[in-house]
Amino acid sequence: AQSVAQPEDQVNVAEGNPLTVKCTYSVSGNPYLFWYVQYPNRGLQFLLKYITGDNLVKGSYGFEAEFNKSQTSFHLKKPSALVSDSALYFCAVTLGNQFYFGTGTSLTVIP
Amino acid sequence: GAVVSQHPSWVICKSGTSVKIECRSLDFQATTMFWYRQFPKQSLMLMATSNEGSKATYEQGVEKDKFLINHASLTLSTLTVTSAHPEDSSFYICSAYGQGGETQYFGPGTRLLVL
Repeated sequence: AQSVAQPEDQVNVAEGNPLTVKCTYSVSGNPYLFWYVQYPNRGLQFLLKYITGDNLVKGSYGFEAEFNKSQTSFHLKKPSALVSDSALYFCAVTLGNQFYFGTGTSLTVIP
Repeated sequence: GAVVSQHPSWVICKSGTSVKIECRSLDFQATTMFWYRQFPKQSLMLMATSNEGSKATYEQGVEKDKFLINHASLTLSTLTVTSAHPEDSSFYICSAYGQGGETQYFGPGTRLLVL
């Protein structure tokens, strides 16, 4: 069965420190990988995606993610966290027209 | 990027009434749109795939007669919650693939509260 896992429900990080939000997947074939961010009472905003090519993908707001095929991971990273980065983050994997979402990770950046 | 809008953003209704939620692709045509439901602090649950000019495809466990989907044009899909009950209260989000067909773009969501 296809699945996406975000092992951490909550991540806390101090402002200015690097942050990592983890995502692993179990999908057959060669999926596309995405990260979305959701602010309270808002829809999901696209951050970045990996289709093919360089394993390090750069996206919006200074975020980046590294695709690791051997570990089937696609962790989201940012070198220096901002308080405004506090939100809910979703990893997603698509295979064909089917989108599979992780359960989400709530990121809190502490001033 | 592609823009998807939803209307209304908030709706409060009485139990037993029906509520219609609109999803529009503003700057692109979307032959396929998706409707999701999200409970507090949980991930999105795909409810149905809305196909322009044909019937929607519902996920297992989603009542077709309860959640009516109409995709009458290439830029508009509607979700009607019929005879709403308090347990239908939720955050409903639509999405569509942008041009290129790789990335889903999401609407801002509609918060439904059934009293």
